[in-house]
Amino acid sequence: EVQLVESGGDLVQPGRSLRLFCTTSGFTFGDYAMTWVRQAPGKGLEWVAFIRGGTNAGTTEYAASVRGRFTISRDDSKSIAYLQMNSLRIEDTGIYYCTCGHSPSKSESWGQGTLVTVSS
Amino acid sequence: QSALTQPASVSGSPGQSITISCAGTTSDVGLYNYVSWYQQHPGKAPKLMIHDVTNRPSGVSNRFSGSKSGNTASLTISGLQAEDEATYYCSSYTRSSTLVFGGGTNLTVL
Repeated sequence: EVQLVESGGDLVQPGRSLRLFCTTSGFTFGDYAMTWVRQAPGKGLEWVAFIRGGTNAGTTEYAASVRGRFTISRDDSKSIAYLQMNSLRIEDTGIYYCTCGHSPSKSESWGQGTLVTVSS
Repeated sequence: QSALTQPASVSGSPGQSITISCAGTTSDVGLYNYVSWYQQHPGKAPKLMIHDVTNRPSGVSNRFSGSKSGNTASLTISGLQAEDEATYYCSSYTRSSTLVFGGGTNLTVL
């Protein structure tokens, strides 16, 4: 059974940093793209970043709203994906979901999400 | 990259069929067959319902189907059931190698 468990969410002040973790099991991690998607309170889904697996493993893409502040990475030996978030802003507040898929365009499985609150 | 355009809400009675549209551009929906649809119930994580425009993952009811014409993709749900009441999101891969979501459509089963 595919499982993704996010952790690391917290209440932080604007300008501070936070690192999210996505611990996975039940699939061949290295073959899958890993994606972070967020959802602000009461709002829709927003794509944040993805990191490819398979033949293009390690290549990354970011939404314009987080490019230069967030970094996605992966450790295939531990089956964990990360999201390093720097210079956090109030508008970064929301639930952050980790997803996996054979390609970045399809999030086949989702975690339960971790809450990030940016507030002074 | 602007969000894909979805109707804010749709509704239908049990047993009826409904269609949710997802309008993009020649740089996303119209460019690739990489459109996905997700279902989200309140307080839950989204679930993949359709990928690559028309493909249903294993375990998803065949009452759900996807299609595309030009820059607009569509999700059709036939034989509406109470459990289908949820918010539906489309997403597309883009020319810039990024992803973009639609704003979401609230489906009400009357």
